[in-house]
Amino acid sequence: DSGVTQTPKHLITATGQRVTLRCSPRSGDLSVYWYQQSLDQGLQFLIQYYNGEERAKGNILERFSAQQFPDLHSELNLSSLELGDSALYFCASSGPGQTNTDTQYFGPGTRLTVL
Amino acid sequence: AQSVTQLGSHVSVSEGALVLLRCNYSSSVPPYLFWYVQYPNQGLQLLLKYTTGATLVKGINGFEAEFKKSETSFHLTKPSAHMSDAAEYFCAVSDFRGFKTIFGAGTRLFVKA
Repeated sequence: DSGVTQTPKHLITATGQRVTLRCSPRSGDLSVYWYQQSLDQGLQFLIQYYNGEERAKGNILERFSAQQFPDLHSELNLSSLELGDSALYFCASSGPGQTNTDTQYFGPGTRLTVL
Repeated sequence: AQSVTQLGSHVSVSEGALVLLRCNYSSSVPPYLFWYVQYPNQGLQLLLKYTTGATLVKGINGFEAEFKKSETSFHLTKPSAHMSDAAEYFCAVSDFRGFKTIFGAGTRLFVKA
């Protein structure tokens, strides 16, 4: 158990819909990262937050957005869903430092299926 | 731009045999290099990382990797495979300038009894 929690574990929805994925980092960690893992694209970095502020952006679509709240939990919002958005979405946390040598601890993931 | 290439999407070894998973990277600045393992239906777990200093890095579960700048490689090895090592392994690169971690496509390790 990494100490990172993600909810829900599974999510099934229809095209065009909007969903929210939730992540709670390990106690004391200030950074939260979101990743998408799919068969065709592999593991892709989406976005990172540090202590509530956006820190880095990767291959995140404009239909996707994220935020980190004062209690440090984070949400990833996916809208206008397409079949190709079906994937495993991982959250990771690290910290409390700001360097990217810090070990990232991954949650168990949310499996999103878009029908 | 940074990139990671993992040679071989699937590697099969016999129990007790040497495990060698290959990773080559591309980076215009000194890289930070990582190996992660993913067991079925689980998130990724850090095996080891290289940032600076000693180029031979020891990790968990008996794995180690050597940073070879001249070969731009960071291959993962374990002297003797165990059935429990069967998983997917990801090599990743980052650096001091930014906060993005780039992952390779992964290598699935099969261990035969």
